[in-house]
Amino acid sequence: DTGVSQDPRHKITKRGQNVTFRCDPISEHNRLYWYRQTLGQGPEFLTYFQNEAQLEKSRLLSDRFSAERPKGSFSTLEIQRTEQGDSAMYLCASSRGHVREDYNEQFFGPGTRLTVL
Amino acid sequence: DQQVKQNSPSLSVQEGRISILNCDYTNSMFDYFLWYKKYPAEGPTFLISISSIKDKNEDGRFTVFLNKSAKHLSLHIVPSQPGDSAVYFCASNAGGTSYGKLTFGQGTILTVHP
Repeated sequence: DTGVSQDPRHKITKRGQNVTFRCDPISEHNRLYWYRQTLGQGPEFLTYFQNEAQLEKSRLLSDRFSAERPKGSFSTLEIQRTEQGDSAMYLCASSRGHVREDYNEQFFGPGTRLTVL
Repeated sequence: DQQVKQNSPSLSVQEGRISILNCDYTNSMFDYFLWYKKYPAEGPTFLISISSIKDKNEDGRFTVFLNKSAKHLSLHIVPSQPGDSAVYFCASNAGGTSYGKLTFGQGTILTVHP
């Protein structure tokens, strides 16, 4: 069990550019979540997948954001035409998905810190 | 709207004493509650949870208390150790179609002094 990994750990981009982040969950976990965390706040839910199906999306996820989880393994989060307000820590988490205690116990990656200049 | 609130941004405690972290929620649909701990440069790690059918859950030095009528939960750490110094987040879940969607509080920075 190597834990949840995220790549890159840091990303600096200019406003208007597109960025893509990758998350590799714990291998036996079928649920995968994306959260965003800004300074002084807790993580905010963005979206989650069960296997390859995207089951829920937050209103925070504007049309510029898209997430995929092909084949139910790793996931990518893409932000198009980045804005300065997108600067945040983007966290990925995974969990088992069979009983409630399992999918509430989410294992988080270290996050990708995005800075939009 | 902040549905989960941690009103104390920070807490400082002496080693060996009790740490009490508090959390309030407003959404009456929340029925499952968790505490996460976060060290710098790491993602949050699960600490302890409680279902709304219980009012207390204990795991070693950590105990979570739930007061449903007051919509309040607290985390007790006894005895506190310097390694407990971290940011603590409470989180809640509403069940139903929101299974797995956690709503977090703002966090409380706990510092345990040797």
